[in-house]
Amino acid sequence: AQSVTQPDIHITVSEGASLELRCNYSYGATPYLFWYVQSPGQGLQLLLKYFSGDTLVQGIKGFEAEFKRSQSSFNLRKPSVHWSDAAEYFCAVDFGNEKLTFGTGTRLTIIP
Amino acid sequence: DSGVTQTPKHLITATGQRVTLRCSPRSGDLSVYWYQQSLDQGLQFLIQYYNGEERAKGNILERFSAQQFPDLHSELNLSSLELGDSALYFCASSPISGANVLTFGAGSRLTVL
Repeated sequence: AQSVTQPDIHITVSEGASLELRCNYSYGATPYLFWYVQSPGQGLQLLLKYFSGDTLVQGIKGFEAEFKRSQSSFNLRKPSVHWSDAAEYFCAVDFGNEKLTFGTGTRLTIIP
Repeated sequence: DSGVTQTPKHLITATGQRVTLRCSPRSGDLSVYWYQQSLDQGLQFLIQYYNGEERAKGNILERFSAQQFPDLHSELNLSSLELGDSALYFCASSPISGANVLTFGAGSRLTVL
């Protein structure tokens, strides 16, 4: 079955520390992959996407993600987080069925 | 401002009632998607329209219906409301149907009492 898994419900990091949010999917082929961010009371904003080509993709706000086919993963990274990065992060996958399937989200808390 | 407009932002109503949520897509976008976000279910895809036609259907209850009008705005109708329908309802739009980037609105928060 097609599924998207974000194993970490909540992550806390110190400001200035590095960040990695995990995302795995279950699918027989390579899907289209996305990361979205939702700030409190806001809609979802696209951070980055992967369709094909270079497996390391750069996004907005200093985020990057790496697609690893062998691990069916698309992990989101940032070298140094800022207090403004506190939000909920969603991995989303297009399995070729006219919609995006979202993971359950990872809530990121930043401590000073 | 994402360019996707949703109204109303907040809505409080009683069980058994009917409400309509409205979405105006970003200029030039032909596809509209509806998602429901709740604490227990996460972000669930409801339905998608492309240029007025239904293209994909997700876990949308029979009490819910939607349509996309010739001017491309969309409405999501929720009837016989139950407490469990309380959620944030998002509309998103995209230029085409299929694999592409969705632009989300700020959502309509529905509270059923």
